[in-house]
Amino acid sequence: DAKTTQPNSMESNEEEPVHLPCNHSTISGTDYIHWYRQLPSQGPEYVIHGLTSNVNNRMASLAIAEDRKSSTLILHRATLRDAAVYYCILRDVGGGSNYKLTFGKGTLLTVNP
Amino acid sequence: GAVVSQHPSRVICKSGTSVKIECRSLDFQATTMFWYRQFPKQSLMLMATSNEGSKATYEQGVEKDKFLINHASLTLSTLTVTSAHPEDSSFYICSSGTSFMNTEAFFGQGTRLTVV
Repeated sequence: DAKTTQPNSMESNEEEPVHLPCNHSTISGTDYIHWYRQLPSQGPEYVIHGLTSNVNNRMASLAIAEDRKSSTLILHRATLRDAAVYYCILRDVGGGSNYKLTFGKGTLLTVNP
Repeated sequence: GAVVSQHPSRVICKSGTSVKIECRSLDFQATTMFWYRQFPKQSLMLMATSNEGSKATYEQGVEKDKFLINHASLTLSTLTVTSAHPEDSSFYICSSGTSFMNTEAFFGQGTRLTVV
């Protein structure tokens, strides 16, 4: 499985942008880059995903390097509710035609008021 | 978006007893669901893949006789922790599976199991 590398933790101030990096140097051509986040004592929730082009949604933006070996999740204005562990995951083929997610350690984002 | 409902959210049981955790897909049919376990301050570890109408596929090191998975319908998968011991205390999470690489997975709220 292609693996990802993320910083263990990052800190941000409320209302400021946050850039969460992810390295995935062994990514294959058909791997999608997914981001999920997990708030304390909750199941993970989907944030965003992309393949080659940058992506935007109501939660965040995803900037993907041209060689696809790295990506950055961008929270445009961090709020206290964004404090969570953020996981960068390459969507892998699981059993049969279903695709499982393999979680790394993620980045613990702390947002200061 | 699709919703996965997990129940109970929290359970305390005595050592040696069994506990059943339910995972329901509320607005879609889930032929495959995934079960994860998460210990404090650690990441999610995939335990098994639950397949509707067939046997579950377990990850290496996960005891299939201890963690019984049943996926009898397209909307319900259950995980039963049999003869629970304190070391089974953990946060258990289910998620939907999809048949396309580029669609998102949906997760249950998680179940905090404490074995005393």
